[in-house]
Amino acid sequence: KAGVTQTPRYLIKTRGQQVTLSCSPISGHRSVSWYQQTPGQGLQFLFEYFSETQRNKGNFPGRFSGRQFSNSRSEMNVSTLELGDSALYLCASSFSTNEKLFFGSGTQLSVL
Amino acid sequence: AQSVTQLGSHVSVSEGALVLLRCNYSSSVPPYLFWYVQYPNQGLQLLLKYTTGATLVKGINGFEAEFKKSETSFHLTKPSAHMSDAAEYFCAVGGDSGTYKYIFGTGTRLKVLA
Repeated sequence: KAGVTQTPRYLIKTRGQQVTLSCSPISGHRSVSWYQQTPGQGLQFLFEYFSETQRNKGNFPGRFSGRQFSNSRSEMNVSTLELGDSALYLCASSFSTNEKLFFGSGTQLSVL
Repeated sequence: AQSVTQLGSHVSVSEGALVLLRCNYSSSVPPYLFWYVQYPNQGLQLLLKYTTGATLVKGINGFEAEFKKSETSFHLTKPSAHMSDAAEYFCAVGGDSGTYKYIFGTGTRLKVLA
């Protein structure tokens, strides 16, 4: 069974640009959540999707958005990039509530 | 609101020594508690989880954790550290009904000295 796949693995952008990150969950998993990981801050919850519906959103500005498609694949978008958005963005999928999260390897975003 | 505190952002132990990584949580509902490990350039993988039942939870790679409700703690231990245990460890809490939202601690980087 393939794991959680995130693309691209690395991204370099400049301030003001926008970026779209992609996540394909494990087959059969309907929940996808996104986390931002920065040194010293740990993992900060961004959003959670289940069956194409956003069920939870973290404390991030509106520049961060996401969506989930009918095949459970998810994308997150960050508009008007700022230097502070540089981070590792992790996607995780899960089969059901409070079961283990399966993480992808992440997308490393660098904003110059 | 749920929260997680990991004491010590960096911990060093000698190979063969006891590993103890501390995690305290705050939750208004019975918590689901997790420990994840992250190796360099990789995502997180589950070490162990507590949902209900036995308070001593055994995980992979010889790790275990004990849920202590009175102390709101879920410390991770391993009797004998191995060089391959060097990684970053994250404690997480979940449990708000109907949500997949997990709150993670800020992580503890474990260094194992030869």
